[in-house]
Amino acid sequence: QQQVKQSPQSLIVQKGGISIINCAYENTAFDYFPWYQQFPGKGPALLIAIRPDVSEKKEGRFTISFNKSAKQFSLHIMDSQPGDSATYFCAASMRGTGNQFYFGTGTSLTVIP
Amino acid sequence: NAGVTQTPKFRILKIGQSMTLQCTQDMNHNYMYWYRQDPGMGLKLIYYSVGAGITDKGEVPNGYNVSRSTTEDFPLRLELAAPSQTSVYFCASSYATGVGTNEKLFFGSGTQLSVL
Repeated sequence: QQQVKQSPQSLIVQKGGISIINCAYENTAFDYFPWYQQFPGKGPALLIAIRPDVSEKKEGRFTISFNKSAKQFSLHIMDSQPGDSATYFCAASMRGTGNQFYFGTGTSLTVIP
Repeated sequence: NAGVTQTPKFRILKIGQSMTLQCTQDMNHNYMYWYRQDPGMGLKLIYYSVGAGITDKGEVPNGYNVSRSTTEDFPLRLELAAPSQTSVYFCASSYATGVGTNEKLFFGSGTQLSVL
């Protein structure tokens, strides 16, 4: 059973455009929602994260939007660049579970010059 | 700091063979994890450890074993390798300050394993 559902599986965006990746979860005990970025041949690296007490978090061109009532969160990449081409994973975790993270299935983003 | 170091980077096993994937971290992190990554499936937690001498199962532990004798090392053992264990394996670590504190994961660069 997939605890965190992610879409789309792949995404192609023109340089300068907005990339949007969506995730949904069912378990209301989740209280931490990170996004990881992975380049080919590398391990994932934390990009940005949010807790459910805020509806939005922005870091540079990357923004997480969080909708607690809908149990959804999304990653927006503004002014997308070819260097943003990577696989993106959303994840969720909850208190008291040994810091276990449940990952989405990943989105392969390609930004065309 | 080297961060999280995994060896080997690539390995081919025959069905029924066994091997150990090595993982070491130099950040003095208390938590360590093993994930496997399969195409279209994301990352699935195999085992994790909250400190030396303490390990616990994740989502997909069958066919694997772990040990944590030191803070730095967290090897993953595959016994009787099967084609279903063909995957990319990632070791990760984090520093958690207590119950309810979620910290970021630091990943190694992965081990690509094929079982033929």
